[in-house]
Amino acid sequence: GAVVSQHPSRVICKSGTSVKIECRSLDFQATTMFWYRQFPKKSLMLMATSNEGSKATYEQGVEKDKFLINHASLTLSTLTVTSAHPEDSSFYICSALGGQTNEKLFFGSGTQLSVL
Amino acid sequence: AQRVTQPEKLLSVFKGAPVELKCNYSYSGSPELFWYVQYSRQRLQLLLRHISRESIKGFTADLNKGETSFHLKKPFAQEEDSAMYYCALSESETSGSRLTFGEGTQLTVNP
Repeated sequence: GAVVSQHPSRVICKSGTSVKIECRSLDFQATTMFWYRQFPKKSLMLMATSNEGSKATYEQGVEKDKFLINHASLTLSTLTVTSAHPEDSSFYICSALGGQTNEKLFFGSGTQLSVL
Repeated sequence: AQRVTQPEKLLSVFKGAPVELKCNYSYSGSPELFWYVQYSRQRLQLLLRHISRESIKGFTADLNKGETSFHLKKPFAQEEDSAMYYCALSESETSGSRLTFGEGTQLTVNP
């Protein structure tokens, strides 16, 4: 089946630094990828829709300058958390739309970000 | 705005017992509903979607538009069913895009 690789699985950084998370579709092309954020024991919250070759579409309340998304190829989307602060600490999950008619969503294994 | 509610955060049953995980939604249009499952230390994966009308691993879910519900049911729970289950809603009937998730229900099936 289709596989989505997310890297790194865990990252610890200092406050004020930037962190980049990669999401790759390994055996299929994904023109559309999604980035979610999940707080402990809470639901996944959609942050943005990443479209290959165009600007990402952000959900209401998500700062686009804070969470930079780049989808430069059909197999890679990146999320960069800029000038990270402790409140950005969270579990970030990506997913990619695939399948014969782009009807299936495949998830990465997530990235635990801890900002000190 | 759309919303998905899973009233039970935790659900515990014994092996062989019936199980029902509740999901209610609010959406003004015609939604597509999904159930996703996350087994221990594994990534989230699709369990079933309402338009497929199929049974996966013995689970079924029927969309009830009158009650705005999409409860997940299995007549005889197995220990390997223990996992986190998320109900999700998509605005589009043609793709699983832009999902709104419920908060999830942790199902434990005891021996």
